[in-house]
Amino acid sequence: GQQVMQIPQYQHVQEGEDFTTYCNSSTTLSNIQWYKQRPGGHPVFLIQLVKSGEVKKQKRLTFQFGEAKKNSSLHITATQTTDVGTYFCAGQDTGRRALTFGSGTRLQVQP
Amino acid sequence: DAGITQSPRHKVTETGTPVTLRCHQTENHRYMYWYRQDPGHGLRLIHYSYGVKDTDKGEVSDGYSVSRSKTEDFLLTLESATSSQTSVYFCAINDRGPSSYEQYFGPGTRLTVT
Repeated sequence: GQQVMQIPQYQHVQEGEDFTTYCNSSTTLSNIQWYKQRPGGHPVFLIQLVKSGEVKKQKRLTFQFGEAKKNSSLHITATQTTDVGTYFCAGQDTGRRALTFGSGTRLQVQP
Repeated sequence: DAGITQSPRHKVTETGTPVTLRCHQTENHRYMYWYRQDPGHGLRLIHYSYGVKDTDKGEVSDGYSVSRSKTEDFLLTLESATSSQTSVYFCAINDRGPSSYEQYFGPGTRLTVT
């Protein structure tokens, strides 16, 4: 079945440093979504990417979808303590109804 | 936040007992999902529903059943709970299906099976 791998599992950065998490799918995706989960909270939708090579920005967050639609990345510029949490990618295989989530990257930001 | 509630929020039960978790939405969304979250595994889909009485299995459906008799309610049942089902369970909803619209998650239910 479809697998979505996410690296790294954990990253600890100093406030102001950049952060990147990567997501790789074993199959071609029709779209990919990104979610953020704060400690003790529930996942919250950040963005959806659909087109090959698509790049979207939300303030300090930059999301990319690979040309082959099998990988994606989330980059945070100049991290802040409010960025703390776990970031999940979730991909949808072509023809399937459901999303497959990556295992997540937990980000810790040291003030 | 979307109008999604889950009950109970916390439950401790013994191995072999039946358990039912409830997800209730006030958004009139068509699609509803049950996930479990375990350390190192992210969110794994258990079952989902694309309408009243229409459900389908996810990747980890063994040991779980679901029912949806009304648009607003999606029930997850563990017929005979096992320790491996200790987890945090999240319900999610969306309106256009997973291909074109984000999922809204409920607050979660922490289930411990002793």
